[in-house]
Amino acid sequence: QQKVQQSPESLIVPEGGMASLNCTSSDRNVDYFWWYRQHSGKSPKMLMSIFSNGEKEEGRFTVHLNKASLHTSLHIRDSQPSDSALYLCAASMAQGGRALIFGTGTTVSVSP
Amino acid sequence: GPKVLQIPSHQIIDMGQMVTLNCDPVSNHLYFYWYKQILGQQMEFLVNFYNGKVMEKSKLFKDQFSVERPDGSYFTLKIQPTALEDSAVYFCASRGTPNTEVFFGKGTRLTVV
Repeated sequence: QQKVQQSPESLIVPEGGMASLNCTSSDRNVDYFWWYRQHSGKSPKMLMSIFSNGEKEEGRFTVHLNKASLHTSLHIRDSQPSDSALYLCAASMAQGGRALIFGTGTTVSVSP
Repeated sequence: GPKVLQIPSHQIIDMGQMVTLNCDPVSNHLYFYWYKQILGQQMEFLVNFYNGKVMEKSKLFKDQFSVERPDGSYFTLKIQPTALEDSAVYFCASRGTPNTEVFFGKGTRLTVV
């Protein structure tokens, strides 16, 4: 089964600062990457997805993907206390409806 | 946004007993999933269900686990018999078409005592 590794395990960011999270898949068959955010006691909610090499920006969030190295990163600028959460990276294959396989997660704490 | 409903939100059960977790996926969604999460950490894939069949499953999907979705009914995860290590939050998820967003329910917290 594919493995998805995330780093760091946890991160403390000052309010207004930049958080950078990393994710790598060890399975060369994956095609798509997903970033989900899960607040404590809640369900995961998708932040962004990326399928092609390059960069994608939505508001304060930017994702990068390097398909050759199967590495994606998520950057949160102007971090807010409400960004404090568990960030889950997932990878999946293109074949119809294949499951998202999640990494171990990065816990982000934004300090006021 | 689209909602996946899970019933019940909490369940406490004696070890060895059977438990059924219920999920009402987003209307018109075709792909259904169960995940297991312990202590708010890694979200671990259990099983993928489509067109009335299990499409893929992980090593965590033990023989004691089964899933089904009778027509017009809930998508269910049944564990029989339960073990202490089955204690976790179980999330149901669904998506409409391949490679689109997967929506998660709020989870069922299962405690096996």
